Amino acid sequence: SQQGEEDPQALSIQEGENATMNCSYKTSINNLQWYRQNSGRGLVHLILIRSNEREKHSGRLRVTLDTSKKSSSLLITASRAADTASYFCATPRGGSNYKLTFGKGTLLTVNP
Amino acid sequence: GAGVSQTPSNKVTEKGKYVELRCDPISGHTALYWYRQSLGQGPEFLIYFQGTGAADDSGLPNDRFFAVRPEGSVSTLKIQRTERGDSAVYLCASSLNGQGATDTQYFGPGTRLTVL
Repeated sequence: SQQGEEDPQALSIQEGENATMNCSYKTSINNLQWYRQNSGRGLVHLILIRSNEREKHSGRLRVTLDTSKKSSSLLITASRAADTASYFCATPRGGSNYKLTFGKGTLLTVNP
Repeated sequence: GAGVSQTPSNKVTEKGKYVELRCDPISGHTALYWYRQSLGQGPEFLIYFQGTGAADDSGLPNDRFFAVRPEGSVSTLKIQRTERGDSAVYLCASSLNGQGATDTQYFGPGTRLTVL
C-alpha cells in the first residue's frame, strides 16, 4: 500500500514560474523525503526533512512539513525546462528508517 | 565516487524463463535495497540487505523472487519462472548504514524488465 500521495498528479507551467507540489501521508514518520525521476528511470534524492523540522531549503527548493496535518509541500522557484520530471515524496514506514513508501508522483512539465 | 550501477539496463525475456538483475552499490554503503516500479506508480519496496544478510524481505511478492548479497557489496535479484506481471523497472538503492532518521538512499538507473 502507498503511504504518500502527491497532489496534483500533473502540473504544467512556464519557465520562470514557481511550482508547488503537495504530499499527504497517513501514519507517523521519522522523516519525509522528496525524489525526482526523469523518464521513468533512476530517482535522484532532492531533500530530506526530519519530523522535528518545519522547513528546509536547498538551492531553488523549499520543503515544508506539517506533522499535525500529515502533509508536506515542495516548492521549486524560478523553474527551468530541465526541472521537467516526476516528483515523488517518500516516507519510511513500519517503524523503520529504511522501508520507503512512495506516492504515485507529480508529473511536472516546464515549458520553455 | 561512482553512484549505484545496475546491469543490464534493459532485459527482455519470455514467460517462464529465469532472470538475474545485478546491482553495484556505492562503495562503503552497508545497506542495499531493491524496489520495483510499475508504469504510473511509485517504487515499491522489495528487500533490504544489511551487509550480507537480508534484514527485511517482506516486500518480495512470492517465492519466485530471491536476492543475494554474498560479500556484502554486489547484489543479484533473481526471478524464477517469470510472468508477464513481473514486467517493471527494478530499482536498486544503497545507503550508508540503513539506520538513523537521516540515512539517505541513493538509487541506480534501474533495469527495465519486459516479460513477453
